[in-house]
Amino acid sequence: GQNIDQPTEMTATEGAIVQINCTYQTSGFNGLFWYQQHAGEAPTFLSYNVLDGLEEKGRFSSFLSRSKGYSYLLLKELQMKDSASYLCAVLYTGGFKTIFGAGTRLFVKA
Amino acid sequence: DSGVTQTPKHLITATGQRVTLRCSPRSGDLSVYWYQQSLDQGLQFLIQYYNGEERAKGNILERFSAQQFPDLHSELNLSSLELGDSALYFCASSVTGGWDTEAFFGQGTRLTVV
Repeated sequence: GQNIDQPTEMTATEGAIVQINCTYQTSGFNGLFWYQQHAGEAPTFLSYNVLDGLEEKGRFSSFLSRSKGYSYLLLKELQMKDSASYLCAVLYTGGFKTIFGAGTRLFVKA
Repeated sequence: DSGVTQTPKHLITATGQRVTLRCSPRSGDLSVYWYQQSLDQGLQFLIQYYNGEERAKGNILERFSAQQFPDLHSELNLSSLELGDSALYFCASSVTGGWDTEAFFGQGTRLTVV
């Protein structure tokens, strides 16, 4: 299979930094996405990584290590509105199928 | 507002029936993706169309089919509906067929099969 593993839930404090990890099977890997999804709403694209390294986009950064089958999403200066589910998704070749993780529910507390 | 329009927003139907979900992509986007999100399965990629042609197929059941029309809108047809098909169905669109371009999601159609 092509399991995508990420923690089910995380809690962090407003103003802090949180790192959400994602591990995946490396065979056929062609890219990794992070999405944010607020309850009852559509997912919103955050990032797409295909090369190793860190990509920064404002308060959000995404890191990829292809050899380790590992990615993380880093959220800085947390705000209450960042409370949402964060979905890790991997694009695999051989049909270009995107496999989604179950998502990490992030709770930001005051 | 992402610019992607899905209709209807809600749909309630009985088992065994057939429904059609509609998606209008953002202006200028050539690629349309369909996803299913259910409580037990999470978000799953179903199928992608690019400029009228099927580009990639994911976990789409044989009872389901889709197409993209010349005006680039897309329809997802679900037939012989089962209780387990109850889910939120999202459509997304992007400018190109490449997965490295950002895809924008519609607000979804919530399908309830009773």
